[in-house]
Amino acid sequence: DVKVTQSSRYLVKRTGEKVFLECVQDMDHENMFWYRQDPGLGLRLIYFSYDVKMKEKGDIPEGYSVSREKKERFSLILESASTNQTSMYLCASSHPGGSGYTFGSGTRLTVV
Amino acid sequence: GESVGLHLPTLSVQEGDNSIINCAYSNSASDYFIWYKQESGKGPQFIIDIRSNMDKRQGQRVTVLLNKTVKHLSLQIAATQPGDSAVYFCAENFPRGRRALTFGSGTRLQVQP
Repeated sequence: DVKVTQSSRYLVKRTGEKVFLECVQDMDHENMFWYRQDPGLGLRLIYFSYDVKMKEKGDIPEGYSVSREKKERFSLILESASTNQTSMYLCASSHPGGSGYTFGSGTRLTVV
Repeated sequence: GESVGLHLPTLSVQEGDNSIINCAYSNSASDYFIWYKQESGKGPQFIIDIRSNMDKRQGQRVTVLLNKTVKHLSLQIAATQPGDSAVYFCAENFPRGRRALTFGSGTRLQVQP
């Protein structure tokens, strides 16, 4: 069964910590995405990558960075976690050409 | 700027009735649209998609309608079941510019037994 796997379902981190959220897909997809989901705001794009070592900023990249060293893995990094980064983080992947995404189950991050 | 929005944040229907979830999009150049379903504690799951050269597409119990004249997208669910209770998102793809979908804020569908 093809899937996108996010390494943690729940995380609690302290303000100022450096946080890594990991995402792995087994579908050989070129494109990978990180969104955050907040009540009433839907899914907002943080960063995406369309190839290894390539990345593009989404709508809300501030306070985040990403790493794509291998095709199957896309990491989201919170350089110095803040309470306003408490959210549900969703990773997705797709083939290029406008096909739908496959999403992971999400990581609920709480920054205290 | 471009946006994808929903008319009704919460929709409550009786089991067995048909449901209609609406979405307005603002970018007339968008060429591809998708509906996702998100159940509690899970990531969004693909339901059905439609390209801009079509105005209707049917799946199993679901139909998506696209009205490009008024930039409106709808998802129809026939004979709604308790398992359909979830948040539904529409998403649009711009053919130029960034290569990522833009999502709406979601509609919660509640199915009453």
